[in-house]
Amino acid sequence: EVQVVESGGDLVQPGGSLRLSCAASGFTFSDHYMDWARQAPGKGLEWVGRIRKRSNGYSTKYAASVEGRFTISRDDSKNSLFLQMNSLKTDDTAVYYCARVHNGGDLWHLDFWGRGTLVAVSS
Amino acid sequence: DIQMTQSPSLLSASVGDRVTITCRASQGISVKLAWYQQKPEKAPESLISGSSTLQSGVPSRFSGSGSGTDFTLTISSLQPEDFATYYCQQYFSYPVTFGQGTRLEIK
Repeated sequence: EVQVVESGGDLVQPGGSLRLSCAASGFTFSDHYMDWARQAPGKGLEWVGRIRKRSNGYSTKYAASVEGRFTISRDDSKNSLFLQMNSLKTDDTAVYYCARVHNGGDLWHLDFWGRGTLVAVSS
Repeated sequence: DIQMTQSPSLLSASVGDRVTITCRASQGISVKLAWYQQKPEKAPESLISGSSTLQSGVPSRFSGSGSGTDFTLTISSLQPEDFATYYCQQYFSYPVTFGQGTRLEIK
């Protein structure tokens, strides 16, 4: 069974940093691109960014709203995905989801999502 | 960026009704369009990809259509478990973008 489970959400002050993790199981993690998405309280879904697989150099793409502040990385040996968030703003308050990109390429949907982890940015 | 606009934002319907949600892209996206269902306090679930391909396990009362800029999600006969929020998403180009969501509520 495919599973992705996020962790690391917390209350953090504006300007602070936080690192989220996502543990994957039930599939060959190294074969898939992986995404982070988020959902602010009472709002819709927002894509945060993507990391490609090893054969694509682990290259990344980000939404403009997080570019330069957030960094996505992965450890294929541990089937884990990470989101390093720096210079956090109150607007970054959201549930953060880890999601699997369906196939090993760019032009695919997100076929499995985790249950999310809550990040609250407040003083 | 490609903007995705869903309509309506809120839809009231009854069990057994046929409902249609539309999604319009600000530029052509071929069939690189997915639909997701999200229930309160739950993760989104993939319903349809490639505009019309039903994901494994999704009931056949769900269907999708469209290409280019205009897309629809249809539920042929609403069941109680279908009351949720639905999002479209384009994956034609970066950044990936979602529609604002359509909340389907019981009339």
